[in-house]
Amino acid sequence: GQNIDQPTEMTATEGAIVQINCTYQTSGFNGLFWYQQHAGEAPTFLSYNVLDGLEEKGRFSSFLSRSKGYSYLLLKELQMKDSASYLCAPSGNTPLVFGKGTRLSVIA
Amino acid sequence: DTGVSQDPRHKITKRGQNVTFRCDPISEHNRLYWYRQTLGQGPEFLTYFQNEAQLEKSRLLSDRFSAERPKGSFSTLEIQRTEQGDSAMYLCASSLASTGADTFFGPGTRLTVL
Repeated sequence: GQNIDQPTEMTATEGAIVQINCTYQTSGFNGLFWYQQHAGEAPTFLSYNVLDGLEEKGRFSSFLSRSKGYSYLLLKELQMKDSASYLCAPSGNTPLVFGKGTRLSVIA
Repeated sequence: DTGVSQDPRHKITKRGQNVTFRCDPISEHNRLYWYRQTLGQGPEFLTYFQNEAQLEKSRLLSDRFSAERPKGSFSTLEIQRTEQGDSAMYLCASSLASTGADTFFGPGTRLTVL
């Protein structure tokens, strides 16, 4: 089976940096996805990490440690439009399984 | 190809009616997935296909639910005798590689059962 743990809610200030952590346990691990989901909309792909380390993509970066079963999503220069849920999903031998996600609120 | 599409985007039905949703994946993708999502929860896996073969079904998928992908392209998800508890967003996703490294979601179909 799979177990995914993320904080339920986070609040951060516009212009700041926020780190959303994800720990997971899964069999047959291939890589880890991060998706962004605005209320009432479908998830949109943010990143997919296969190797250990940090991958930067504009204001968003994603880190993976395979040995620790740990990942984080780093959002810099926060904007109001970044208010959304962020879903962590480990990819293994079965279709993606999601946790409840982290609901991020960006405040002025 | 602009991505995964789903139809309809919204469906309101009365309890006991049957509904059918359609998903058109990204054209070169051979894997297609159905998920269900309710408020405050992450997407829950329902079933997936590789080409026309249905490879896995979740225990969440009751006998009232059936999915098909007859030609390995578009897929349909039918819910028979709908119940109020079926109200949710139904999401379709597709991917090419077995690792799912390119898994993209459609816009979803929001079902409301009255």
